[in-house]
Amino acid sequence: EAGVAQSPRYKIIEKRQSVAFWCNPISGHATLYWYQQILGQGPKLLIQFQNNGVVDDSQLPKDRFSAERLKGVDSTLKIQPAKLEDSAVYLCASSSDGAQPQHFGDGTRLSIL
Amino acid sequence: AQTVTQSQPEMSVQEAETVTLSCTYDTSESDYYLFWYKQPPSRQMILVIRQEAYKQQNATENRFSVNFQKAAKSFSLKISDSQLGDAAMYFCAYPPPGSSNTGKLIFGQGTTLQVKP
Repeated sequence: EAGVAQSPRYKIIEKRQSVAFWCNPISGHATLYWYQQILGQGPKLLIQFQNNGVVDDSQLPKDRFSAERLKGVDSTLKIQPAKLEDSAVYLCASSSDGAQPQHFGDGTRLSIL
Repeated sequence: AQTVTQSQPEMSVQEAETVTLSCTYDTSESDYYLFWYKQPPSRQMILVIRQEAYKQQNATENRFSVNFQKAAKSFSLKISDSQLGDAAMYFCAYPPPGSSNTGKLIFGQGTTLQVKP
């Protein structure tokens, strides 16, 4: 079974620029999560999808972050405009349903100059 | 407060020895899951072990086991016969109140485990 795919692996941008991350969950997984992991800390949930609907986006900075999951499969997370404090690893995870363990991708390491 | 605390930022263990990583959490729920995840350097996070809170028996997966103390809200991870490949950051995670079946998790700050040959 193919794992959670994320791209790109690394991204370097200047502050105030925009950036987008892509995630392809494990086939058949209805639940998809985006996390932000700042260096030396645990992951923090940004947004959770169930199929193509949002379950929880309470910690998503909606003035600059947006996410979508068209057709309930792939998902994109966008930051516009980026700030220095957005430097982090952005992790995507999926699970078959909310009660099952999450499977994580390799993450995208974002550096803001 | 929805918190999970890993009080040991760093731990080290000699190869083949046993080490225990601690985790405490705060919830008023009675039925939930608790998780330990492992994140090797520059590699993806993987599930190590899962404990169901309503089960009194501690979960075990090969060399990994937990000591679950529900009343004390403590969930420690024991790694026996430590191997070099166990070196990683370990995260304890649990669902915040009201989220037991939604999948939402709160992660601790992590414990970096060093394994010495």
